Amino acid sequence: NAGVTQTPKFQVLKTGQSMTLQCAQDMNHEYMSWYRQDPGMGLRLIHYSVGAGITDQGEVPNGYNVSRSTTEDFPLRLLSAAPSQTSVYFCASTSGSTDTQYFGPGTRLTVL
Amino acid sequence: GDSVTQMEGPVTLSEEAFLTINCTYTATGYPSLFWYVQYPGEGLQLLLKATKADDKGSNKGFEATYRKETTSFHLEKGSVQVSDSAVYFCALMNTGFQKLVFGTGTRLLVSP
Repeated sequence: NAGVTQTPKFQVLKTGQSMTLQCAQDMNHEYMSWYRQDPGMGLRLIHYSVGAGITDQGEVPNGYNVSRSTTEDFPLRLLSAAPSQTSVYFCASTSGSTDTQYFGPGTRLTVL
Repeated sequence: GDSVTQMEGPVTLSEEAFLTINCTYTATGYPSLFWYVQYPGEGLQLLLKATKADDKGSNKGFEATYRKETTSFHLEKGSVQVSDSAVYFCALMNTGFQKLVFGTGTRLLVSP
């Protein structure tokens, strides 16, 4: 049982490049979320999903896309990276029977 | 909208000192309240939670009491250790398991 896994751990992009941050969980949780963590701002919700095929926007969705084709995977796509997207990104999952969110180890992204 | 306010850090203490990290919230309804901890280079882990007024969450010597009258959820520990050095986040969840609202985090530094 690996919990929530994220890849890559570190990534450097140039402005305008695209990439996908991967997130997977093996706990059969219905709910998955993406957050970004910036100094002095805590964690802010980007997108979330309540189950396969269902996604919705969080507090800061602009510049990011998500999809949820399986229960296990919830990738986050940056279509055209901008320096403002330099951040640490965390994926989390939650069971419907509890309100505890389990977080992955994070991806540190730098956009030059 | 919902929000969480935490005391700014860093909080610097000597080992065995008493710890208080203040947290207040603004929310409609009756949110669940959480403290998460982030150790260096890692993701967030749930430290403790409380789901209704006057509940006390506790774990690893840390405690916090849900005070509805003062809209507060202050984190306390009677005797901190060097290994408690981390960033502590207060958070609330009002509607839906996927929408955690975080404070900005408080860094705790404990010296021997």
